[in-house]
Amino acid sequence: AQSVTQPDIHITVSEGASLELRCNYSYGATPYLFWYVQSPGQGLQLLLKYFSGDTLVQGIKGFEAEFKRSQSSFNLRKPSVHWSDAAEYFCAVGATDYKLSFGAGTTVTVRA
Amino acid sequence: EPEVTQTPSHQVTQMGQEVILRCVPISNHLYFYWYRQILGQKVEFLVSFYNNEISEKSEIFDDQFSVERPDGSNFTLKIRSTKLEDSAMYFCASSEEGFAGANVLTFGAGSRLTVL
Repeated sequence: AQSVTQPDIHITVSEGASLELRCNYSYGATPYLFWYVQSPGQGLQLLLKYFSGDTLVQGIKGFEAEFKRSQSSFNLRKPSVHWSDAAEYFCAVGATDYKLSFGAGTTVTVRA
Repeated sequence: EPEVTQTPSHQVTQMGQEVILRCVPISNHLYFYWYRQILGQKVEFLVSFYNNEISEKSEIFDDQFSVERPDGSNFTLKIRSTKLEDSAMYFCASSEEGFAGANVLTFGAGSRLTVL
């Protein structure tokens, strides 16, 4: 069965600084990988996804993620964080069934 | 942009009571899902639904839970006799096609259930 680990529970970053959120997955075949963001009072919004092809994936809101098979990782990055990026971020992995497996989430706090 | 709508946003109920959470998926989507997130824990898959039947369910989805698509637009999750441990945020999601890995789920904002 697939699983996801997000090692960082909480990250604080200054506005304008870069951000990297870590995600490691466990799955025997090529995974389908997703990053979702949840702002307070909002649902889970898809930031980006990786299915195949180019391992560097661009998403919405200036986010990107890189799939590294050798490290079983799919880390999310943003070069310059805005205060509106404060939220909880979830990495998820899908397989050939009907469910996504989510990580525990990383809460991002942005300080002025 | 099309969205998944969930009601109520928050429900408080007494232990042992029945609860129905409602969802309106995106209109051209054919696959529907319920996930839940207990406070401080991971988002967990509960059930997927297609063509008026359950296509997959997790071990969490026991006999206390049921899903239904009573009409052409709503998708409901019923908990027959709520327990304290059912307190969670429940997310509905829908997708155009079956999630054979390569599909994208659109999630609603969630319904927070508090069982007292």
